[in-house]
Amino acid sequence: NAGVTQTPKFQVLKTGQSMTLQCAQDMNHEYMSWYRQDPGMGLRLIHYSVGAGITDQGEVPNGYNVSRSTTEDFPLRLLSAAPSQTSVYFCATNDPGTGRYGYTFGSGTRLTVV
Amino acid sequence: GQQLNQSPQSMFIQEGEDVSMNCTSSSIFNTWLWYKQDPGEGPVLLIALYKAGELTSNGRLTAQFGITRKDSFLNISASIPSDVGIYFCAVHGSSNTGKLIFGQGTTLQVKP
Repeated sequence: NAGVTQTPKFQVLKTGQSMTLQCAQDMNHEYMSWYRQDPGMGLRLIHYSVGAGITDQGEVPNGYNVSRSTTEDFPLRLLSAAPSQTSVYFCATNDPGTGRYGYTFGSGTRLTVV
Repeated sequence: GQQLNQSPQSMFIQEGEDVSMNCTSSSIFNTWLWYKQDPGEGPVLLIALYKAGELTSNGRLTAQFGITRKDSFLNISASIPSDVGIYFCAVHGSSNTGKLIFGQGTTLQVKP
C-alpha cells in the first residue's frame, strides 16, 4: 500500500546546509504539490506541479526549489536551510482526470534546522 | 490572499457528545474538502463537497456545502476516542490546478 512515499521521516539540519526531501507516488497522478505545516497555521502551499516538466510557486516558495522530471517523483530542495524552515513537510497528489479533488497526502517529513 | 477561517480552534468533549465545526471564507469556492489528521500522519480526506447546498455523510460524519459557496460545516455524531485529531477544511484556490487552501484546523480531544 505505497501511495505517496516521503523520505526521510525525520531530519535535523544545521543552518546553511542544503538537502532534498523526496516524494514518490505510484498512482500515476498528474498533480503533485508540497505543503508545510506549522502550529496554528494549517498547511501552506510551497510549490506544485500539474505534470512532468511543469512547476509553479505556491504561497510560501522562498528558500525552496522543485523540479518534476518524471510523473512519479517531485523532490523539494532546501537551498540553504534556515531555522524558519523548521516544520513538517507534506507531499500530496491528485488525479485531475477523475474530476475529484481528494488529494492524497504522504505521512510527512519532520525537519528541524538548528 | 485567500483565507479560510475555521472555528473553533480546539474542542475538548466527552465521549458520546456531538461535535460541530465550521469554515468560512470571503470568497466563493466550488469545492470544499474536510480532512482529518492523526498525530504523526498526513491529512486523510473525510468528505468532499462539489455542489452548493450539498449535504454528504460518511458514517457518523456529516458535512454541508453552504448555499452561498462561502462556507461549510462538519458534524460528528456520538464521538468516540478515535475521533481525536486535527480536522481541516480546504478549498481549491482555482479550478483544480493543484492548489489547496487550508483552514487553520480544529483540534478535537475526546474524554472517555
